[in-house]
Amino acid sequence: AQSVTQLGSHVSVSEGALVLLRCNYSSSVPPYLFWYVQYPNQGLQLLLKYTTGATLVKGINGFEAEFKKSETSFHLTKPSAHMSDAAEYFCAVSDGQAGTALIFGKGTTLSVSS
Amino acid sequence: DVKVTQSSRYLVKRTGEKVFLECVQDMDHENMFWYRQDPGLGLRLIYFSYDVKMKEKGDIPEGYSVSREKKERFSLILESASTNQTSMYLCASSRTANNQPQHFGDGTRLSIL
Repeated sequence: AQSVTQLGSHVSVSEGALVLLRCNYSSSVPPYLFWYVQYPNQGLQLLLKYTTGATLVKGINGFEAEFKKSETSFHLTKPSAHMSDAAEYFCAVSDGQAGTALIFGKGTTLSVSS
Repeated sequence: DVKVTQSSRYLVKRTGEKVFLECVQDMDHENMFWYRQDPGLGLRLIYFSYDVKMKEKGDIPEGYSVSREKKERFSLILESASTNQTSMYLCASSRTANNQPQHFGDGTRLSIL
């Protein structure tokens, strides 16, 4: 069975600092991986996805993530945090079977201080 | 842009009531999903549907049912609401192709008193 582990339920950074949100997955097949962001009282918005091809994936709002098969990781990074990045972030994995649901991690809340 | 619309942002109901949460998507997506979101537990799948009149149980289907009579609409039904069903409910839709992301509505915050 597939699973997703997000290390750290809360991450705090200063404005302008590097953002690193960790995600590890387990999957018996090549996975499809996703990062979503959720702002307060809103639904989830897709940040970026990895399906095939280039392992470094760029998303919206300056975020990127690198798929590392050997480490079963898909960590999310941003070089310089903005106050507006404060939100909850979810990593998700798909087993690649058409029509199946995503499996989500428990989420990481990012706080950004000035 | 894909639009997933949930009928209510906030809803307050009483225990024992039958509660309907409605979700409509405008992009002709085959798949639709219902999740509940609770602090510290992330998103948990209740039910999903990959076609009209088809449904599959997710991880926590107990106490819930669903209906999909039309492709664009997916309804979640709480047969007899209980206080432990107080939660944020999120609807999502996607295309069938397995590399397609899910698109989410803004959620319904449901309180059962």
